[in-house]
Amino acid sequence: DAGITQSPRHKVTETGTPVTLRCHQTENHRYMYWYRQDPGHGLRLIHYSYGVKDTDKGEVSDGYSVSRSKTEDFLLTLESATSSQTSVYFCAISELESGGTDTQYFGPGTRLTVL
Amino acid sequence: AQSVTQLGSHVSVSEGALVLLRCNYSSSVPPYLFWYVQYPNQGLQLLLKYTSAATLVKGINGFEAEFKKSETSFHLTKPSAHMSDAAEYFCAVSDLNGNQFYFGTGTSLTVIP
Repeated sequence: DAGITQSPRHKVTETGTPVTLRCHQTENHRYMYWYRQDPGHGLRLIHYSYGVKDTDKGEVSDGYSVSRSKTEDFLLTLESATSSQTSVYFCAISELESGGTDTQYFGPGTRLTVL
Repeated sequence: AQSVTQLGSHVSVSEGALVLLRCNYSSSVPPYLFWYVQYPNQGLQLLLKYTSAATLVKGINGFEAEFKKSETSFHLTKPSAHMSDAAEYFCAVSDLNGNQFYFGTGTSLTVIP
């Protein structure tokens, strides 16, 4: 298994509070991603990073920010959590492979509940 | 933009029966295609991927998928279902750069003893 950890694994918070989720990798991969998984929607990309301090928005980036100060860590922050952000959050990593495509490898997920 | 459609959010098969999970993609050029499996309370695990080397792709746990350009499909099959195959399955397509993925909404597979 790819060396990806996410912390915390579970979190319950209240509306309006800030929340930071952490993704840590030991594979030295260039690309890192944050997804949210909701029933009926599959996985939707929130933000991704293509290097230290290089990030870009995904499909559902509103209400989220990210930072990557080191290759191994990618942080997802909810500045002011809302109930609509209750979800399971997955981090993924990838590296350019021969043939020009990447395979994404996923962490175990963080279950976030916003009350 | 790329997109993926998985027909059937729930599929039930008997143990030992054929498994067929459907995936159609939308792309103007041959894409890279993937199938992932997710067991309860776990992350996604790669089953197999298509990268244009061969149209029939074999993956782990006896699964395989065939890329059919004329049908824009990448259906997942397994000849004989096992109880341990019960899980959620996701089809995904990557963009031309290879570093953004677009996932289908998933198919939940139930295996009936």
